[in-house]
Amino acid sequence: SHELTQPPSVSVSPGQTAKITCSGDALSDQYGYWYQQKAGQAPVVVIYKDAERPSGIPERFSGSSSGTTITLTITGVQAEDEADYYCQAGDRNVINVIFGGGTKLTVL
Amino acid sequence: QLQLKESGPGQVKPSETLSLICSVSGVAIRRSSYFWGWIRQSPGKGLQWIGSVFDDGRTFYNPSLQSRVSMSVDTSKNQFSLMLKDVTAADTAVYYCVRDGEELWFGESPGAGPKKWFDPWGQGARVTVSS
Repeated sequence: SHELTQPPSVSVSPGQTAKITCSGDALSDQYGYWYQQKAGQAPVVVIYKDAERPSGIPERFSGSSSGTTITLTITGVQAEDEADYYCQAGDRNVINVIFGGGTKLTVL
Repeated sequence: QLQLKESGPGQVKPSETLSLICSVSGVAIRRSSYFWGWIRQSPGKGLQWIGSVFDDGRTFYNPSLQSRVSMSVDTSKNQFSLMLKDVTAADTAVYYCVRDGEELWFGESPGAGPKKWFDPWGQGARVTVSS
């Protein structure tokens, strides 16, 4: 319950769809969250509670959950979406927070 | 508009105590019904939640850091702080102050802990542990 696993990198061409997965036991009964971190900036939440999108986040960002995996989908990727993406969940057994190792999204 | 800003020494010697302050503008910490916290980011360990504090001083810490961490709130200055003692090179990181992504429900006890997601984040403060 202490780990979240993400692919290190995902590459996609502009206008295509990018999918980033995050797997871990904690996700079976804890909400998942996604943060976008652009170079030199602080992370920003783009999806909360598996599939909710904060105000101000473009509609091309969506989230889903199935079993112990959550997925961030960016439909119609734009150059400005190039960033590191981190998943996050609460620990199942104690009050703790765990993050995935991050996925670098490259827009070709 | 809510803004968070970290401040403190950029360098700390090994075995000493790292101290950071987060100044909050745009909203009062007191009676905000939110937890306020610290997260750090290092090349070796990625993002790591350090802990969170409520306006009544109640704290929750990452179990792996609990023995070295303390947090507090100063509502008169609208600030909260982090202290991490006995630092080593492994504590070199960018330290972010954050607010919980959602407030406690009406009547919900802060004893249940923070909401475990974070929005917004401060700009970050780089701290290097070196002699």
